[in-house]
Amino acid sequence: GAGVSQSPSNKVTEKGKDVELRCDPISGHTALYWYRQRLGQGLEFLIYFQGNSAPDKSGLPSDRFSAERTGESVSTLTIQRTQQEDSAVYLCASAQSRGYEQYFGPGTRLTVT
Amino acid sequence: QKEVEQNSGPLSVPEGAIASLNCTYSDRGSQSFFWYRQYSGKSPELIMFIYSNGDKEDGRFTAQLNKASQYVSLLIRDSQPSDSATYLCAVSNKIIFGKGTRLHILP
Repeated sequence: GAGVSQSPSNKVTEKGKDVELRCDPISGHTALYWYRQRLGQGLEFLIYFQGNSAPDKSGLPSDRFSAERTGESVSTLTIQRTQQEDSAVYLCASAQSRGYEQYFGPGTRLTVT
Repeated sequence: QKEVEQNSGPLSVPEGAIASLNCTYSDRGSQSFFWYRQYSGKSPELIMFIYSNGDKEDGRFTAQLNKASQYVSLLIRDSQPSDSATYLCAVSNKIIFGKGTRLHILP
């Protein structure tokens, strides 16, 4: 079956612009995670959705970052007023439920100029 | 103490030898443990998961879990150059990933 997909694969934006990143999870997966990975660094947890429960937003670095997910479908991560330090690969992963193995999408490489 | 700790490496292992990667975690209540492999420029891919104390084998890979000592390890037998990558340990109760260990297999 289809894996996790993300779009766009690459995004170059000017400082101060807003960007929206999209994640399509594996069908039937109730858990969805967003991570950020800066060049040469580890995974930085951003936000987690589990079904219709309130999301765990504890990893969002500032109020410029927000994410939405409708039910158990697509999620969007929005970064407002982008800064150069936002440049990174943004990874989405989905899982059958919390505590189960996560499957990652290919990521979106964001470059803020 | 960091929640999930791994030696960043690089760990250099001769081709054909056994590579041993280790991970310690701080939350005694953790129930599920995962190993991911990440090639440069690619996203992480799941290699193994383990929930119970002891060993779990899958092909050339063996995951070992010791909850009393709070460590989980990954053994790669008959190491191949294609195993050269960064290996991430994940402890799932709190969605915590280690920083990863860079493994380099020497041909």
